[in-house]
Amino acid sequence: EDQVTQSPEALRLQEGESSSLNCSYTVSGLRGLFWYRQDPGKGPEFLFTLYSAGEEKEKERLKATLTKKESFLHITAPKPEDSATYLCAVDKETSGSRLTFGEGTQLTVNP
Amino acid sequence: NAGVTQTPKFRILKIGQSMTLQCAQDMNHNYMYWYRQDPGMGLKLIYYSVGAGITDKGEVPNGYNVSRSTTEDFPLRLELAAPSQTSVYFCASSKGDRGGGNQPQHFGDGTRLSIL
Repeated sequence: EDQVTQSPEALRLQEGESSSLNCSYTVSGLRGLFWYRQDPGKGPEFLFTLYSAGEEKEKERLKATLTKKESFLHITAPKPEDSATYLCAVDKETSGSRLTFGEGTQLTVNP
Repeated sequence: NAGVTQTPKFRILKIGQSMTLQCAQDMNHNYMYWYRQDPGMGLKLIYYSVGAGITDKGEVPNGYNVSRSTTEDFPLRLELAAPSQTSVYFCASSKGDRGGGNQPQHFGDGTRLSIL
């Protein structure tokens, strides 16, 4: 059965304390993996798409990487404004126009 | 630059009532989606559409209906509201990709629905 699992469920960091969020997947025929940021009371906001193992993308303090089994969202020297829930979603060959979302990691960065 | 607009933002319904959640996008996207998000959970797909006149069920379609008469609009209908339908509902749209591979989905800010 296809699964998308994010860990940890929640993460508390001090400002400037770098860390990583994990998204592991067990789908066959991966076409792409998406990362989103969701602020309280808002809809998810697109961050990155990764298509193949070894690919990396960066945006400000965030860097996303992809292997054949998982993706990491690395957060370097986070700031309080990075606090949000981070969602990953996978697109596979047999899913047509649908994505499968993980349950998210709630990140809190304390000043 | 509106993007995906959802109305209403909040609603309280009584058990058995009906309502329509509205969703409109101005990006000329072919694909549109409805999700529900329960507290601490991920997004569950209710229905989706790959173009006007075409809709299909997602993971959790029971108790809901949709229609897609135009590219811009994708309303979600609850016919007989039940407490289990208390949730936050998100509409999303994307360009889609008929050649294989989906484009990023763009989300509205949600409708918070309580059924009492």
